[in-house]
Amino acid sequence: GDSVTQMEGPVTLSEEAFLTINCTYTATGYPSLFWYVQYPGEGLQLLLKATKADDKGSNKGFEATYRKETTSFHLEKGSVQVSDSAVYFCALSSNDYKLSFGAGTTVTVRA
Amino acid sequence: DTAVSQTPKYLVTQMGNDKSIKCEQNLGHDTMYWYKQDSKKFLKIMFSYNNKELIINETVPNRFSPKSPDKAHLNLHINSLELGDSAVYFCASSQRVGIQYFGAGTRLSVL
Repeated sequence: GDSVTQMEGPVTLSEEAFLTINCTYTATGYPSLFWYVQYPGEGLQLLLKATKADDKGSNKGFEATYRKETTSFHLEKGSVQVSDSAVYFCALSSNDYKLSFGAGTTVTVRA
Repeated sequence: DTAVSQTPKYLVTQMGNDKSIKCEQNLGHDTMYWYKQDSKKFLKIMFSYNNKELIINETVPNRFSPKSPDKAHLNLHINSLELGDSAVYFCASSQRVGIQYFGAGTRLSVL
């Protein structure tokens, strides 16, 4: 079945540091890939997506590229801010209805 | 003007009680979901309805029963609450593959 593995946290960074969160997946066919973010006390919200190989999703300074050859979708941001402190979830969808989420990575950015 | 709203936000109750959580979406989406998030932030899909029809029914104790009176509402009823049911429950809705809109969550504490 479909599954997502993302790097374990927690991750603690200083402001303006580079952030990368690794995500790899296992799926049949050609899934769509997503990153969701959950800020403290809130529900998840879509951060970015990519629907086919070599697509790059980007939003709020975050980027991730769909790599079919390595079955990966790593999240990166060049210069993080305190406001980026959140839990980040990698996810995939192979059909119309179900999202398979990774375990989540907690990121804390210190001023 | 909340897109996906859940009530209540907090629910504290005794073991053995029965409780309900309500969810409403004003996005016009056809598909709605219930997720359970544990203390380690792991997210588990429980149920999904598409146009009032149950389409995802994961391995969940049958003390949990979803009900969808119309496609804008999906409620979750829990009988005979147990300590292990303590978690944050999220409702979500979707119209496109993988793009889900989450409510703010209901934090359930069973004492």
